[in-house]
Amino acid sequence: DAGVIQSPRHEVTEMGQEVTLRCKPISGHNSLFWYRQTMMRGLELLIYFNNNVPIDDSGMPEDRFSAKMPNASFSTLKIQPSEPRDSAVYFCASSLTPGLSSYNEQFFGPGTRLTVL
Amino acid sequence: AQKITQTQPGMFVQEKEAVTLDCTYDTSDQSYGLFWYKQPSSGEMIFLIYQGSYDEQNATEGRYSLNFQKARKSANLVISASQLGDSAMYFCAMREGYGGSQGNLIFGKGTKLSVKP
Repeated sequence: DAGVIQSPRHEVTEMGQEVTLRCKPISGHNSLFWYRQTMMRGLELLIYFNNNVPIDDSGMPEDRFSAKMPNASFSTLKIQPSEPRDSAVYFCASSLTPGLSSYNEQFFGPGTRLTVL
Repeated sequence: AQKITQTQPGMFVQEKEAVTLDCTYDTSDQSYGLFWYKQPSSGEMIFLIYQGSYDEQNATEGRYSLNFQKARKSANLVISASQLGDSAMYFCAMREGYGGSQGNLIFGKGTKLSVKP
């Protein structure tokens, strides 16, 4: 079975450029999460979708960040314009809807390592 | 205040010995779940073990067990018979709410475990 798929795996861009990260969740999962990992701040939730609807976007740093989930099998995280402080590893994760069980493991994608010069 | 606290930035253990990684949490919810993830140097996040707040017995998964002390709000991970491949970052995480109100995981800062041959 395919796990969570993220693309690209590595992205190097220059400050001011637009960056789009992509995620395909595990088929049948209806919750999708975007996390950012840095040495300074650790793993932080950016946004969380349930049934394609954004539930909690309080972790999105600022208006330069936007996320969409147009259908159950695809999500994007866009940064425009990008800045050097956005350099991090961005993880997408998916799970079954929380609440159907007290235990719903989140499956993580391999991450996208973003470097903004 | 931090929701998840991992007080050990780094730990060393001799191969074949057991090691305990500490995790304390802070929540006012009665229903919550606690998770441990492993992140090897390759970067992926690997789910290890789960403990629900209403689970009466400590969770076990192979060489991993969770020492759950609810009154002390601690959920320590015990790895028995350490192997060289256990060298990695270990993250404790919590999901609050059973009724689906909050699906995201809140992560600790992590503990870097190094297994010595």
